[in-house]
Amino acid sequence: TQLLEQSPQFLSIQEGENLTVYCNSSSVFSSLQWYRQEPGEGPVLLVTVVTGGEVKKLKRLTFQFGDARKDSSLHITAAQPGDTGLYLCAGSWSFGAGTTVTVRA
Amino acid sequence: DTAVSQTPKYLVTQMGNDKSIKCEQNLGHDTMYWYKQDSKKFLKIMFSYNNKELIINETVPNRFSPKSPDKAHLNLHINSLELGDSAVYFCASSQDFGDSHEQYFGPGTRLTVT
Repeated sequence: TQLLEQSPQFLSIQEGENLTVYCNSSSVFSSLQWYRQEPGEGPVLLVTVVTGGEVKKLKRLTFQFGDARKDSSLHITAAQPGDTGLYLCAGSWSFGAGTTVTVRA
Repeated sequence: DTAVSQTPKYLVTQMGNDKSIKCEQNLGHDTMYWYKQDSKKFLKIMFSYNNKELIINETVPNRFSPKSPDKAHLNLHINSLELGDSAVYFCASSQDFGDSHEQYFGPGTRLTVT
């Protein structure tokens, strides 16, 4: 099993601030995916990154795949309360432990 | 229309009982999965079926048996339930088998064993 480590585990910020979540591994992945999960629901796919060094933007969310395809980051600009949730990175059916993000109004 | 649906949403049962969770997807996908999410929110794959054929079978007790009657359905039967089986079980599907394929998750079934 390829291990994905996420950091931080918890993140609490004020509305309007920026945040970054990291996903690291010692293994190379052909692709990594980011999901967001809200309480009582299943994870919902945000993005898939495939090419080393790739940067994808989804409105205020920016996803980056490391050059060596071993790590990825999720950056949220000007966070809003609606961004609150559990963010999960995944690769080859393995999931990171998740980062719980809380955005305070 | 719900893409991936699971029943029941909640399941409370006693140790030693046998129970089943049903999953259906209407996306026309070829691959379906069962995941277990523990109390710390860690999501771990249990099984995967592609075109009704078992292709991923992680280290899961033999008490867990998946069954796929057709491509759109993947059920999970659990025998002799134990306290440690308490978790949220998610069904998911993807268009095809391959680690870069997007997975669509159901709403989960919260199983509580007392």
